[in-house]
Amino acid sequence: ELKVEQNPLFLSMQEGKNYTIYCNYSTTSDRLYWYRQDPGKSLESLFVLLSNGAVKQEGRLMASLDTKARLSTLHITAAVHDLSATYFCAVDPSNRDDKIIFGKGTRLHILP
Amino acid sequence: EAQVTQNPRYLITVTGKKLTVTCSQNMNHEYMSWYRQDPGLGLRQIYYSMNVEVTDKGDVPEGYKVSRKEKRNFPLILESPSPNQTSLYFCASSPFEAGGPDTQYFGPGTRLTVL
Repeated sequence: ELKVEQNPLFLSMQEGKNYTIYCNYSTTSDRLYWYRQDPGKSLESLFVLLSNGAVKQEGRLMASLDTKARLSTLHITAAVHDLSATYFCAVDPSNRDDKIIFGKGTRLHILP
Repeated sequence: EAQVTQNPRYLITVTGKKLTVTCSQNMNHEYMSWYRQDPGLGLRQIYYSMNVEVTDKGDVPEGYKVSRKEKRNFPLILESPSPNQTSLYFCASSPFEAGGPDTQYFGPGTRLTVL
């Protein structure tokens, strides 16, 4: 059974600091997704990573994928309050179906 | 405007009373999916569909039904709702890219309470 684990689940950090959210998964994967959810809102796509070594960046967020380690990271550079949200990774496992498994999410609170 | 719509947005019902939550997308996406979101559990996939007349179970399909008669619509049916189906439900759609679902576009959510 595929498991997707995010660390940490809660993170409180100061503006201007850097931090990384980790997403480990237990089986091979065709693709990995990162989403953001603001309180009381729906989910918004951030990145889709398709291959080993893939790196994507948007503003202060950068995501990378290491398929050999079954690990993706979401790095936040010089955090600002607007990045406060819950971040989810999700995995499409490498099998014949296209089920998608989400991690439990990382609630990020950035203090001004 | 490209979007995924869900109706109703809020619903309070009683145990055993059949209900349907509609989901529609206007982006001609092949892949559609239903999730439920519960505190501490993240999102769990209920059912998904890779195309018209093709549906498959996600991780938590028990107590739910779906159909995909048209590409744009993917209704979620609860034949006999129970209190443990009280949750926040999201519909999502995505195109198929490189042989799999690409980024998903989520609807606004339906908050369901079953008394």
